[in-house]
Amino acid sequence: DGGITQSPKYLFRKEGQNVTLSCEQNLNHDAMYWYRQDPGQGLRLIYYSQIVNDFQKGDIAEGYSVSREKKESFPLTVTSAQKNPTAFYLCASSTRPSRAYEQYFGPGTRLTVT
Amino acid sequence: AQKVTQAQTEISVVEKEDVTLDCVYETRDTTYYLFWYKQPPSGELVFLIRRNSFDEQNEISGRYSWNFQKSTSSFNFTITASQVVDSAVYFCALSEAASNNNDMRFGAGTRLTVKP
Repeated sequence: DGGITQSPKYLFRKEGQNVTLSCEQNLNHDAMYWYRQDPGQGLRLIYYSQIVNDFQKGDIAEGYSVSREKKESFPLTVTSAQKNPTAFYLCASSTRPSRAYEQYFGPGTRLTVT
Repeated sequence: AQKVTQAQTEISVVEKEDVTLDCVYETRDTTYYLFWYKQPPSGELVFLIRRNSFDEQNEISGRYSWNFQKSTSSFNFTITASQVVDSAVYFCALSEAASNNNDMRFGAGTRLTVKP
């Protein structure tokens, strides 16, 4: 089955530690995205990538970093510089890097930093 | 700047009732795209529909229907004869063709609870 996988489902870290969230897709989609969701709020874009080895900052990129070395993979690192990292993180992909296309989402990773 | 407003934070209905979720958007672009997503308790967003700004025709898919009205900048979603499985958070989203960011703007979501 084609889809997007995110692992792990739940992640716990101590403050001051970097943590990397995994996102893999086998849909052969060009574009990939990372969103953050806080309780009672919509999704906010962290980073997006339209092609391999290229990525752009979204609205809330500070304290985060990404890489896109393979088409299938778009890992997100939450660094210790992120002031409030506890949130639900969603990865998405779309067929083409165009605003006209719908995005398909993974199951998300819930990160808790204490 | 593009903006999406979902004024209804939470809605609760009894099974078999019809329910409409409101979505109002703001954009200066003439070419834009509107979307609805469903987020069940599992957390994964499920794509429901996409509309472009040049297509105002309403759409029906089973118990779901969408009413797009450019005159009022609204893209409302109606569930007919609601079922318990419809319980979820529903998001409306907007993307502009001319935007510098290749992103989609989401509303805050409406939590729908359907009681048996």
